[in-house]
Amino acid sequence: AQSVTQLGSHVSVSEGALVLLRCNYSSSVPPYLFWYVQYPNQGLQLLLKYTSAATLVKGINGFEAEFKKSETSFHLTKPSAHMSDAAEYFCAVSPGTASKLTFGTGTRLQVTL
Amino acid sequence: NAGVTQTPKFQVLKTGQSMTLQCAQDMNHEYMSWYRQDPGMGLRLIHYSVGAGITDQGEVPNGYNVSRSTTEDFPLRLLSAAPSQTSVYFCASSSDRAHGYTFGSGTRLTVV
Repeated sequence: AQSVTQLGSHVSVSEGALVLLRCNYSSSVPPYLFWYVQYPNQGLQLLLKYTSAATLVKGINGFEAEFKKSETSFHLTKPSAHMSDAAEYFCAVSPGTASKLTFGTGTRLQVTL
Repeated sequence: NAGVTQTPKFQVLKTGQSMTLQCAQDMNHEYMSWYRQDPGMGLRLIHYSVGAGITDQGEVPNGYNVSRSTTEDFPLRLLSAAPSQTSVYFCASSSDRAHGYTFGSGTRLTVV
């Protein structure tokens, strides 16, 4: 069975600072990995995905993530935070042969002036 | 292009009542799923479908039924509502596992 662990339910950064949101996964088969963002009172929007091509994946709004098999990690980064990045971020895993998506518990990102 | 449409957006039920949450997508996606979102617990899979006529249980299926008679529609039925089913429900669809899922805007359900 697959699972996702997101370290830190709340992360606070200053505007212009580096954003680092951590995600570790567990999967018995090569996984597909995703990051989603949720703004208040909205649905989830796909930020980026890893599907066994390049290990460094670039997404929307300047975010990127690196798949590290040896560390079973897929951390999300952005070089410079913007106030509009304040939202909740979810990491999700889908194992190689299944259509189910398993989510982490989410990390709420706060951006301060 | 409407994407994934969920109705209603808000609903209050009394304990023991039944209701159906509607989900429709216009993207001809084969895969559809229902999730519930509760504070601190992320999104948990209730039921999913890999095509018309094919459904399966997810992580938290008890108290919910689904059917998939068409590619477009994937309704979620609450048989006898309980306060523990108070949550935000999301429907999602995908054409291919590698593309990720497209989510609806959610239904906020309160059971009193």
